[in-house]
Amino acid sequence: DTGVSQDPRHKITKRGQNVTFRCDPISEHNRLYWYRQTLGQGPEFLTYFQNEAQLEKSRLLSDRFSAERPKGSFSTLEIQRTEQGDSAMYLCASSLRGEGNTEAFFGQGTRLTVV
Amino acid sequence: AQTVTQSQPEMSVQEAETVTLSCTYDTSESDYYLFWYKQPPSRQMILVIRQEAYKQQNATENRFSVNFQKAAKSFSLKISDSQLGDAAMYFCAYHPDLYAGGNEKLTFGTGTRLTIIP
Repeated sequence: DTGVSQDPRHKITKRGQNVTFRCDPISEHNRLYWYRQTLGQGPEFLTYFQNEAQLEKSRLLSDRFSAERPKGSFSTLEIQRTEQGDSAMYLCASSLRGEGNTEAFFGQGTRLTVV
Repeated sequence: AQTVTQSQPEMSVQEAETVTLSCTYDTSESDYYLFWYKQPPSRQMILVIRQEAYKQQNATENRFSVNFQKAAKSFSLKISDSQLGDAAMYFCAYHPDLYAGGNEKLTFGTGTRLTIIP
């Protein structure tokens, strides 16, 4: 396993279209996180999963956003009816929940541009 | 709510010299973790160094060390013998202790862009 992978790396979409991103975490990791990073800012938390259960969602995650992690493996983040304000880098991270394990490993991100 | 502040949007340092990046944070928790992450251009974020708040000793990782001042809520990163490969965005981050009911949700600062001058 070479780390967290995200697909696609770049996505350009027209306003109003739906987009879906995929994240494959490190295989034994039970926690998976989605963050959003806009230009000049640090990543902001969106949501996270413990195995297949979505345990927390940020207020940043409007009703147009939905995330899933079927079977506790890969995760998808879907944005419906995209808006220009959704343009950002979407980062996925995974970690192994356990005593002393606090390091999150990040993917390279999916850069979304809404035109 | 926890906040993390990085007041230096950009820093530069001569190759082989030492540079210190600043970070302050605000929390009402007593147990937490602090991190410095490095984000090179077009590459994924990687962990540079981690500090547990209950440890008084400052963390070190090779050329990277921190100055953790818990009472002042300050967490600076010192990079010694700077190398060209150190050029990146550096983010300070925080999360509360897992066993205090927290999770590994990270709160990040806005970052400091570090340039290495050959």
